[in-house]
Amino acid sequence: AQTVTQSQPEMSVQEAETVTLSCTYDTSESDYYLFWYKQPPSRQMILVIRQEAYKQQNATENRFSVNFQKAAKSFSLKISDSQLGDAAMYFCAYRSWDDKIIFGKGTRLHILP
Amino acid sequence: EADIYQTPRYLVIGTGKKITLECSQTMGHDKMYWYQQDPGMELHLIHYSYGVNSTEKGDLSSESTVSRIRTEHFPLTLESARPSHTSQYLCASSEYRIRGPQETQYFGPGTRLLVL
Repeated sequence: AQTVTQSQPEMSVQEAETVTLSCTYDTSESDYYLFWYKQPPSRQMILVIRQEAYKQQNATENRFSVNFQKAAKSFSLKISDSQLGDAAMYFCAYRSWDDKIIFGKGTRLHILP
Repeated sequence: EADIYQTPRYLVIGTGKKITLECSQTMGHDKMYWYQQDPGMELHLIHYSYGVNSTEKGDLSSESTVSRIRTEHFPLTLESARPSHTSQYLCASSEYRIRGPQETQYFGPGTRLLVL
């Protein structure tokens, strides 16, 4: 069975600095999607970035980028130039061919002014 | 932003009451989901649907029930609410591919339920 592990329950970063959230997963599949979702306090969960496993190039969305290491089954999220609005719970998620989606336990990110 | 809506956003109710949490989406997505999430914790899938008249139980056992009479609507019902049902309930939807990795899920704003 697939698993998703986020080993950092909480992290803090100074405003304008860069932070990396880690995510590892376990699977025997060769093709799948990986996602990072952001859930601000009391607000809607939104998709930050997604990566298709067959694509070697790391996905980027403005200040958000991933470091996808397929062999190591690692999918970290890098946030550059951190802003106060980035403070949220971040969930890593895995989605397989048979439509199973597994979420990690989340990392709470604090932005220090 | 995704067009997926949940009502009510907050609900405080007494034990034993019947409640229905509403979820609707205007994206024409076939697949819809309900997740339960305790504060600061991970999401647990409790129900999902592949389309009209399709409902399935998720990984986490739940006393709630769901129905899917229309594509855009996926309500969740608790016949008799109990304090252990206190949680946040998130609805999501996605396109459904018959084969291949599945598409992105879009989430509603959630309903925070408190059962006294």
